Amino acid sequence: SQQGEEDPQALSIQEGENATMNCSYKTSINNLQWYRQNSGRGLVHLILIRSNEREKHSGRLRVTLDTSKKSSSLLITASRAADTASYFCATEQTGANNLFFGTGTRLTVIP
Amino acid sequence: GAVVSQHPSWVICKSGTSVKIECRSLDFQATTMFWYRQFPKQSLMLMATSNEGSKATYEQGVEKDKFLINHASLTLSTLTVTSAHPEDSSFYICSAPIPWTGADTQYFGPGTRLTVL
Repeated sequence: SQQGEEDPQALSIQEGENATMNCSYKTSINNLQWYRQNSGRGLVHLILIRSNEREKHSGRLRVTLDTSKKSSSLLITASRAADTASYFCATEQTGANNLFFGTGTRLTVIP
Repeated sequence: GAVVSQHPSWVICKSGTSVKIECRSLDFQATTMFWYRQFPKQSLMLMATSNEGSKATYEQGVEKDKFLINHASLTLSTLTVTSAHPEDSSFYICSAPIPWTGADTQYFGPGTRLTVL
């Protein structure tokens, strides 16, 4: 089900710049996850951040979570052309094990 | 609006039986669909890419004979868990790319909760 919202829907930046994508959701959650999808391929898991965490890093990726605002952001630093993909956030709601996905942000990194 | 449906929403079966899960695209055609599974409190894991009119592409470590995928039409893909065992209990979700967006966005099905006793 599509329960979250990402913005922007599309983002185009120059290689080397940072890219920030945001995700908002509506209910209380156990965790929030970010995924990446390359053209024509399935989702690949990037980072999972739990509801009691506020920030998490993985390589060039930085994810923040603000449960009071029900929002999360994904920052990709020093972007590369290979980062061009769609990025989705997904939330696991409290009391459920189902994942609810946003509609995705299409990132284009121009070499 | 266009959505992806899954049936059933949840199923409980005995060990050794087979379970079929359907994924349908509504109001649009999907030559490709993706199947995922998710264990509780964990992330989604891509199992396979379902291709209309040809064989599915399985991810490494996913047993083809265990998880049979049939993309019978442009709006229907099925996942059959054969000879299910308790370790197959999981949440299965499918997705389909939205064809008219010009970008790689997808619609996700609501998922199917499988419990094998």
